[in-house]
Amino acid sequence: AQSVAQPEDQVNVAEGNPLTVKCTYSVSGNPYLFWYVQYPNRGLQFLLKYITGDNLVKGSYGFEAEFNKSQTSFHLKKPSALVSDSALYFCAVRPSNSGYSTLTFGKGTMLLVSP
Amino acid sequence: NAGVMQNPRHLVRRRGQEARLRCSPMKGHSHVYWYRQLPEEGLKFMVYLQKENIIDESGMPKERFSAEFPKEGPSILRIQQVVRGDSAAYFCASSPPGTGQLYEQYFGPGTRLTVT
Repeated sequence: AQSVAQPEDQVNVAEGNPLTVKCTYSVSGNPYLFWYVQYPNRGLQFLLKYITGDNLVKGSYGFEAEFNKSQTSFHLKKPSALVSDSALYFCAVRPSNSGYSTLTFGKGTMLLVSP
Repeated sequence: NAGVMQNPRHLVRRRGQEARLRCSPMKGHSHVYWYRQLPEEGLKFMVYLQKENIIDESGMPKERFSAEFPKEGPSILRIQQVVRGDSAAYFCASSPPGTGQLYEQYFGPGTRLTVT
């Protein structure tokens, strides 16, 4: 069975600094990887996904993520954080060889960007 | 194009009552997923449905919980005889038909169920 680990419950960063939210995964075969963001009392919003191709994926709101197969990681990054980026971030995985399309989520990482 | 719609947004039930949660997928989407989010936890998959079919219900408790996605109308997640442990946020997501694995899922705003 697949799993996702987000080792940090919370990440604190000052506005204007680069940010990284970590994600590692375990899946049989090749993974499809996703990042979502959740604002308070809201549903999840899709940020970006890795299916195949370039290991660096660019997504919404200036976020990007780097797929590293050897380290089974898919860390979310942004060069310059904004206070409005403060939210809960979820990494998710789905095996590419599965006939089902359900997602397995990590527990989430709270990102707090201070002014 | 309206997004995924869920209602009610908030639902309060006493122990032993039934809870019905509704989800209307995005227009053109035929795959519906239900997830549960407990405090301090991530989202846990419950059930995956296509029109009139349950594809995967491996994450749904065997008792008291059921789900449907009829030919017409919204998908319904039904919880019978609710208990305090059912208090959570329940999210519905949808994705287009076809090769579902390639598509991201689009989430609704959730229904927050409180059992008193």
